[in-house]
Amino acid sequence: EAEVAQSPRYKITEKSQAVAFWCDPISGHATLYWYRQILGQGPELLVQFQDESVVDDSQLPKDRFSAERLKGVDSTLKIQPAELGDSAMYLCASSLGFLGSGANVLTFGAGSRLTVL
Amino acid sequence: ELKVEQNPLFLSMQEGKNYTIYCNYSTTSDRLYWYRQDPGKSLESLFVLLSNGAVKQEGRLMASLDTKARLSTLHITAAVHDLSATYFCAVDNAGNNRKLIWGLGTSLAVNP
Repeated sequence: EAEVAQSPRYKITEKSQAVAFWCDPISGHATLYWYRQILGQGPELLVQFQDESVVDDSQLPKDRFSAERLKGVDSTLKIQPAELGDSAMYLCASSLGFLGSGANVLTFGAGSRLTVL
Repeated sequence: ELKVEQNPLFLSMQEGKNYTIYCNYSTTSDRLYWYRQDPGKSLESLFVLLSNGAVKQEGRLMASLDTKARLSTLHITAAVHDLSATYFCAVDNAGNNRKLIWGLGTSLAVNP
């Protein structure tokens, strides 16, 4: 069964350091999402790509977070500098098309758990 | 702005019992998703509900959607321990910039 690949699975870093997460969506999935999930809460959308273009980054803290999907396939989410409040699970998901087009289910990767000390 | 409310947030139930989780949302939407998350793991899609009156069933779980009442239910029949997890509903905001708005999740513990 096709999967969304994410790495690293776990990352421990000190505050003010830089950290990067990588995501490889299911082959052929045009839409890619980065979510942040704080323990005990639902996922919060950080950024959504359609192919290589950003569709929505309204909740991305742009002073420290950046995301790219240069060739419209895999994607990187970067945090610099990391802060204590960034400790969370970072989830990548992909879908065949846009929300609103058919069932268009989001398939999630295993996530990258970040701990900032 | 679309808001999604789940209740209960925590549910402890005995094996063999039935129960229902509710997902209310505040503005019009035409699709709703249910996901399951095991502790420390990622989210697994359970159901997609695309129209008023839609009902989907898989094993001991059945989900339904009433778009007029802006309500979805996830019904658990004869619960077993393996169903212990957190269940999220997510609603498509159906706006110009479509995205999913997530509930806080219902943490379900099924006890022997």
